[in-house]
Amino acid sequence: GNSVTQMEGPVTLSEEAFLTINCTYTATGYPSLFWYVQYPGEGLQLLLKATKADDKGSNKGFEATYRKETTSFHLEKGSVQVSDSAVYFCALSRLNRDDKIIFGKGTRLHILP
Amino acid sequence: DAMVIQNPRYQVTQFGKPVTLSCSQTLNHNVMYWYQQKSSQAPKLLFHYYDKDFNNEADTPDNFQSRRPNTSFCFLDIRSPGLGDAAMYLCATSRDPTQGASTDTQYFGPGTRLTVL
Repeated sequence: GNSVTQMEGPVTLSEEAFLTINCTYTATGYPSLFWYVQYPGEGLQLLLKATKADDKGSNKGFEATYRKETTSFHLEKGSVQVSDSAVYFCALSRLNRDDKIIFGKGTRLHILP
Repeated sequence: DAMVIQNPRYQVTQFGKPVTLSCSQTLNHNVMYWYQQKSSQAPKLLFHYYDKDFNNEADTPDNFQSRRPNTSFCFLDIRSPGLGDAAMYLCATSRDPTQGASTDTQYFGPGTRLTVL
């Protein structure tokens, strides 16, 4: 079945450090891939999305590239800020009415000033 | 701005006392979802409406019910809340996911945090 695996947290970095959060997936066909971010006490916000192989999603300095050969969608940011502290969820969705979005378990990110 | 709105943001109820959470959307999306999220976990889908067509997840307890009176509104009813139902409840919407990759993104509301005393 479809599944998403992302790196365990929490991840703690200093401000301006380089960030990578790994995400790999298992799915048949060509799913859409997402990164959602959840700030404390809030709902999930779409951070970025990619819909086909080699697509790069980007937003707010974050990037992720859809790699079909490695079934990965790793999230990266060159210089993190304290305001990036949140929980990040990798997810996939298939274009099928009966398939639900599949979330990874989430990675909590702490950025120290 | 088009958005997904949830009320209330915080709800306190007593053990066994029915509670209703509400969700409204101005996105005119035809699919609406209810998720339960417990601390440090991914959201868990409870059910979703595809227009008026209700789809219940197999492991959603009977204690949870939902109503969608029109396109814009959807309600989550918890008939007899237990201590284990304390969680964040998230509403989300999307366009028809079968229409292509431009329509399968889910948009979430801010959530309602439910406390059961």
